[in-house]
Amino acid sequence: DTEVTQTPKHLVMGMTNKKSLKCEQHMGHRAMYWYKQKAKKPPELMFVYSYEKLSINESVPSRFSPECPNSSLLNLHLHALQPEDSALYLCASSQEGGRTYGYTFGSGTRLTVV
Amino acid sequence: EDQVTQSPEALRLQEGESSSLNCSYTVSGLRGLFWYRQDPGKGPEFLFTLYSAGEEKEKERLKATLTKKESFLHITAPKPEDSATYLCAVQPSHGSGNTGKLIFGQGTTLQVKP
Repeated sequence: DTEVTQTPKHLVMGMTNKKSLKCEQHMGHRAMYWYKQKAKKPPELMFVYSYEKLSINESVPSRFSPECPNSSLLNLHLHALQPEDSALYLCASSQEGGRTYGYTFGSGTRLTVV
Repeated sequence: EDQVTQSPEALRLQEGESSSLNCSYTVSGLRGLFWYRQDPGKGPEFLFTLYSAGEEKEKERLKATLTKKESFLHITAPKPEDSATYLCAVQPSHGSGNTGKLIFGQGTTLQVKP
């Protein structure tokens, strides 16, 4: 079982809907990430939260809105998405410090926009 | 520009036929190189972190090595359950200390036939 839990596992939404993806970790990691992965492509970084502060925004469209209520929780709010936003959305967490440690990824949310 | 290239794109092996996957990277400073395994529709599973040239790590049938320009993932006597996509990623050392951005290669899809 992964130590990063993502819900829901699958989501189908219309282009006018508002939905949220949720991610939770209890490993004491202080950095959390959202990645988007299209079929047969590597994950692409969307957002980074380090110590609950947004550190990177890779020019992701404003229809994606991240939120980090505390160091264990990460949400991704979705609004007015397009069909091309259909993908696997991955949450990850890591320790941060003098040495780099591997990310721990969740199992992902398979999002389909209709 | 920081870049990661994996080869081959796809690899078919017979059970027991050992081989290697390659990850070439160009980065201004390397904080860490990561190998992940990803099964279809699932999140990447952490395998190894390598920090400096000459370093090696092993786990069951897998062995990862690192030079200044590339990393190899050696698979000894693979089994069908080793079939997956193997992703290589690097974390550059430049930039804000806690952003933790990973740059992924395109992955190698391995199929091991019984």
